[in-house]
Amino acid sequence: NAGVTQTPKFRVLKTGQSMTLLCAQDMNHEYMYWYRQDPGMGLRLIHYSVGEGTTAKGEVPDGYNVSRLKKQNFLLGLESAAPSQTSVYFCASSRAGTGGSQPQHFGDGTRLSIL
Amino acid sequence: QKEVEQDPGPLSVPEGAIVSLNCTYSNSAFQYFMWYRQYSRKGPELLMYTYSSGNKEDGRFTAQVDKSSKYISLFIRDSQPSDSATYLCAMNGLNSGGSNYKLTFGKGTLLTVNP
Repeated sequence: NAGVTQTPKFRVLKTGQSMTLLCAQDMNHEYMYWYRQDPGMGLRLIHYSVGEGTTAKGEVPDGYNVSRLKKQNFLLGLESAAPSQTSVYFCASSRAGTGGSQPQHFGDGTRLSIL
Repeated sequence: QKEVEQDPGPLSVPEGAIVSLNCTYSNSAFQYFMWYRQYSRKGPELLMYTYSSGNKEDGRFTAQVDKSSKYISLFIRDSQPSDSATYLCAMNGLNSGGSNYKLTFGKGTLLTVNP
């Protein structure tokens, strides 16, 4: 019963490098989300997707891109990593529902450090 | 005024105590209320999910929502050392734009239950 799986679990990058974080869910959920969690800031939504091939910006989208080519996968890309992007990144998924009526289920996160 | 306010604690209680965790919010459009438990270096885990006002009980956990006061609570009875974690409140609802996919989280309360 995997639920939401994130890879990698840890990564250290140098400023300017690029990388992709992978999220996979096996619950057949329509919606998927990417959050970052920082001390004192809580969880903040980066991007989300309400279906295969569709993505939308959250509250802190700058410096990130996303793609949802398959229903079960949601990729988060950092094109040119900056120290301000050092954070813990969480992926979540939920069933479709109006007005955010469905609870979200989270993976265990990717800890990313940018030097 | 922040949309969701949650006392960060830390809160330390002896084993067997009744724990009360609370959040206040300002957005009257919120209709769906959740509590997540987050262990150290893990993702948020859905604990309780309620719609509108009222109480919901699940084992040792009780969630209360008072929409008139814009106040939600989580009670833990007979607390155990395994309950030691950060507890996050989260909420969502239709906004004036017609739909809202973004969960709004509190900053979390760190709870320690001492044996």
